[in-house]
Amino acid sequence: DTEVTQTPKHLVMGMTNKKSLKCEQHMGHRAMYWYKQKAKKPPELMFVYSYEKLSINESVPSRFSPECPNSSLLNLHLHALQPEDSALYLCASRLGPNQPQHFGDGTRLSIL
Amino acid sequence: RKEVEQDPGPFNVPEGATVAFNCTYSNSASQSFFWYRQDCRKEPKLLMSVYSSGNEDGRFTAQLNRASQYISLLIRDSKLSDSATYLCAVGYENNDMRFGAGTRLTVKP
Repeated sequence: DTEVTQTPKHLVMGMTNKKSLKCEQHMGHRAMYWYKQKAKKPPELMFVYSYEKLSINESVPSRFSPECPNSSLLNLHLHALQPEDSALYLCASRLGPNQPQHFGDGTRLSIL
Repeated sequence: RKEVEQDPGPFNVPEGATVAFNCTYSNSASQSFFWYRQDCRKEPKLLMSVYSSGNEDGRFTAQLNRASQYISLLIRDSKLSDSATYLCAVGYENNDMRFGAGTRLTVKP
């Protein structure tokens, strides 16, 4: 069982749809992350929130829009995605800079 | 040059073998170091943090060499259940965290 909860576990959407991925943790972690992972590749950093503020955006296309409503929640809003955006989207959280990340079990996203 | 470079693998070893993985990192501002294990179609799970003095957890030993900017993971007496992809990760003061490409290990009977 993971302490970082992601929903949904699977998502299939068309290129014109709008959907959101959700991530929740109650460990008091103040840094939260979104990663994208393609098959046989490592997780690729997308966004980092530190103390509910966006601190890192790895030049991610604007069709991905992150949101951190509070210290326990992280969303990723999706709009007008492309087939190449199909991947596993991982959320992670971390107590502080010298601490390890804890990952959710991911949302497997398919764009038709 | 990638920020974190990792042995490409794959490593195919017999049960009972000792296997070592290395990662090098380019940013001397790196502050924290970790090894993760990822099974097929699962999320990465923390295997161990890596400390300057080196640390051991059962059959697993991790080491950090700050002067040469590399970290290593040694697995002794490999088990079939050790088959997975092993990812090194490097963290920074600003909460940035980067992964190596991952090394796939297959332990065979």
